[in-house]
Amino acid sequence: EAGVTQFPSHSVIEKGQTVTLRCDPISGHDNLYWYRRVMGKEIKFLLHFVKESKQDESGMPNNRFLAERTGGTYSTLKVQPAELEDSGVYFCASSRDRSGEQYFGPGTRLTVT
Amino acid sequence: AQSVTQPDIHITVSEGASLELRCNYSYGATPYLFWYVQSPGQGLQLLLKYFSGDTLVQGIKGFEAEFKRSQSSFNLRKPSVHWSDAAEYFCAVGPLGTSYDKVIFGPGTSLSVIP
Repeated sequence: EAGVTQFPSHSVIEKGQTVTLRCDPISGHDNLYWYRRVMGKEIKFLLHFVKESKQDESGMPNNRFLAERTGGTYSTLKVQPAELEDSGVYFCASSRDRSGEQYFGPGTRLTVT
Repeated sequence: AQSVTQPDIHITVSEGASLELRCNYSYGATPYLFWYVQSPGQGLQLLLKYFSGDTLVQGIKGFEAEFKRSQSSFNLRKPSVHWSDAAEYFCAVGPLGTSYDKVIFGPGTSLSVIP
């Protein structure tokens, strides 16, 4: 089966612009997670969808970040407006069950200049 | 609160030497344990995982890890390091069902390999 895919692999934008990251989970996986690793820091949880519902968004840093998962399939993470400190790698993961293994995508490297 | 520590920020080893990366966790019960690797410009790749059973777990690329409940540790080992093993390694715990859906990562250990 195909793994978790993320698009784009790399995005370079200027401060103040908007960027939308996309994640396609493994088919049949109801659970979708977003994580990020900003420069030199730990990989941190952002939020968790169960199908189209946000189960836990406790890790979202502020209201400049908006995640959606319309129809319970792919998910988007929009950053508007982007700030310098948003630079990092954004990972998406999916799992079939909430207690099951999470499969990670390759990540999107976001650079804000 | 649950946490994962990796005491070594950066390790340098010679090619062919043995390797041990340390990981300790703080959790209310025995968690699911993972080791991930991130090579330069690549995504996160799962090396191995422990859910239950045999405490010595074999993974890909010749890596193994041992779960020691008494020490709350899950150290990663490799008997002979290859130059291509240079990467960043992350120990992680979770999820544990309804209360702990998120994977919690350690800060990572950066491995350099000297030819």
